[in-house]
Amino acid sequence: QVHLVESGGGVVQPGRSLRLSCAVSGFTFSAYAMHWVRQAPGKGLEWVAIISYDGNNKYYADSVKGRFTISRDNSKDTLYLQMNRLIAEDTAVYYCARDYLEGRSGNAFDIWGQGTMVIVSS
Amino acid sequence: EIVMTQSPATLSVSPGERVTLSCRASQSVSIKLAWYQQKPGQAPRLLIYGASTRAIGIPARFSGSGSGTEFTLTISSLQSEDFGVYYCQQYNNWPPLTFGGGTKVEIK
Repeated sequence: QVHLVESGGGVVQPGRSLRLSCAVSGFTFSAYAMHWVRQAPGKGLEWVAIISYDGNNKYYADSVKGRFTISRDNSKDTLYLQMNRLIAEDTAVYYCARDYLEGRSGNAFDIWGQGTMVIVSS
Repeated sequence: EIVMTQSPATLSVSPGERVTLSCRASQSVSIKLAWYQQKPGQAPRLLIYGASTRAIGIPARFSGSGSGTEFTLTISSLQSEDFGVYYCQQYNNWPPLTFGGGTKVEIK
């Protein structure tokens, strides 16, 4: 069974930092690019960031560029999202998702985690 | 950035009816278009990729068509479990990968 399990969400004050994790099981993590996608309360889906299967290439949405960092540890089958200088507009459910094409980047997302909620509030 | 526009915003449909959802891209995305279904409190589920290829385990009543800038998701005979919000997403020109605003399908 393929599973993606996010953790690390919570309530944080504006300007502070938070690190999300996504633990993966059931497939060869190191073979797939991975994404973070977020959804603000009552809103649609917003792509946040992508990291290539080997971690060498990373891209970000303009809304988080310079504040968020995506990373991965293929030895631990875990994806991360370091979120710095958080603002109220970052409040959302954050999903990790797998790129459906093995060895490729920037495609559809075939496997999703259940999401972790981040609330930025004073 | 490619802007994806979905219509209608909301659809009320009776079980058994045929449903057609539309997605338009602000510029050509070829066939690099995916559709997702999301139910309340759940993560999205991939339905269609490559504009017309059903993902694993997706029932045959779901079909996708289109290319370039105009795409359609069709549910041939709506089942009660098909309620939810449907999103399209382009992956031809990125970053950023972009989603449409969604179409909410309500069961009448």
